Amino acid sequence: EVQLVESGGGLVQPGGSLTLSCVASGFSVGDYAMLWVRQAPGKGLEWVSGLSWDGSERGYADSVKGRFTMSRDNAKNSLYLQMDSLRPEDTGFYYCAKGRLVVVVTDLDYWGQGALVTVSS
Amino acid sequence: EIVLTQSPVTLSLSPGERATLSCRASQTVYTYLAWYQQKPGQAPRLLIYDTSNRATGIPARFSGGGSGTDFTLTINSLEPEDFAVYYCQQRRNWPLTFGGGTTVEIK
Repeated sequence: EVQLVESGGGLVQPGGSLTLSCVASGFSVGDYAMLWVRQAPGKGLEWVSGLSWDGSERGYADSVKGRFTMSRDNAKNSLYLQMDSLRPEDTGFYYCAKGRLVVVVTDLDYWGQGALVTVSS
Repeated sequence: EIVLTQSPVTLSLSPGERATLSCRASQTVYTYLAWYQQKPGQAPRLLIYDTSNRATGIPARFSGGGSGTDFTLTINSLEPEDFAVYYCQQRRNWPLTFGGGTTVEIK
């Protein structure tokens, strides 16, 4: 059974940093594209970042480029999102998701339960 | 960036009725369009990929169609568990984008 479990969310002040983790089971993160998608409270879905199966493609939404860094540890079957220079508009649920394909331009066939990030003073 | 516009924003229907949701793209996405269902407090769930292919475990009452810029998600004979928010998403190119969502509510 495929499962994705995020952790690391919480309350952080504007300008602060936070790292989200996502542990996968039931498949290998190195075999598929992996992505992060966020959702502000009461709002729609926004793609944040993506990483292809072999690491050759890596991309970020313009809204987070230069501030967020996505990485993967195949040995730990885990995904990470390092978030720096956080802003109030970064507040929301962050979902780790498995791509259906190996490339980053994919749809997402499994999602974690989400980690809540709140950026506020 | 490809913009996806979903309509209507809200659809009020009764159990047993048919729901037809629309997603329009600002440029062609060929057939690279997916649909997701999200219930309150839950993560989204993939329903349909590449316009018309049902994801694993998705009931046959869900069907998708269209091509190019105009797509539809049809839910035949709504079940109580189908009342939720539905999003479309394109994978034609970077960045991946989602529509704003359609809420299917109980009339």
